[in-house]
Amino acid sequence: DVKVTQSSRYLVKRTGEKVFLECVQDMDHENMFWYRQDPGLGLRLIYFSYDVKMKEKGDIPEGYSVSREKKERFSLILESASTNQTSMYLCASSSEIYGYTFGSGTRLTVV
Amino acid sequence: QQQVKQSPQSLIVQKGGISIINCAYENTAFDYFPWYQQFPGKGPALLIAIRPDVSEKKEGRFTISFNKSAKQFSLHIMDSQPGDSATYFCAAKGAKGGSRLTFGEGTQLTVNP
Repeated sequence: DVKVTQSSRYLVKRTGEKVFLECVQDMDHENMFWYRQDPGLGLRLIYFSYDVKMKEKGDIPEGYSVSREKKERFSLILESASTNQTSMYLCASSSEIYGYTFGSGTRLTVV
Repeated sequence: QQQVKQSPQSLIVQKGGISIINCAYENTAFDYFPWYQQFPGKGPALLIAIRPDVSEKKEGRFTISFNKSAKQFSLHIMDSQPGDSATYFCAAKGAKGGSRLTFGEGTQLTVNP
């Protein structure tokens, strides 16, 4: 089974802090994605990557950056956390054959 | 801009009833339409998917109906069970968008025993 592992289930950070959310997949998938999930808004794409060191902006990239130095790892960075970034963050990886596999999510609270 | 619109936002059904969730899309380049199921504390998981060359796909109690001319698709859950209580997301993907999925807003389904 494909596994997508997000390093933290819950995080509480202070406004202005730099926050790193880590995601690792074990199936050698080319594609990796970061979404945020908010009630009534569904899943909105923040950034995605089709290959190592490649990144593409999604629909809501403002306030975020990403890093993909290794194929299996895709990190989401909040440069200066703000309260409106309090959300559930979901990482996913995909292949043409197996489609998307999501991690269990990181619930981030910015206080 | 939400390219995939989903309704209703929440749905309560009695055990044994039929649950129906609807989605509409705008981008005619979409060519793959999956549904995802999410339980509390878990990430979404693929439930069933359809491509526009067929009008219906059935897997067990779950059926997708697809209307290409209306740009709509729906999920039907027959004989709904309390274990089906979850959040359901429709999504769409097109060849031009690469692998990225665009999701609907989600439907919170509650099946009462």
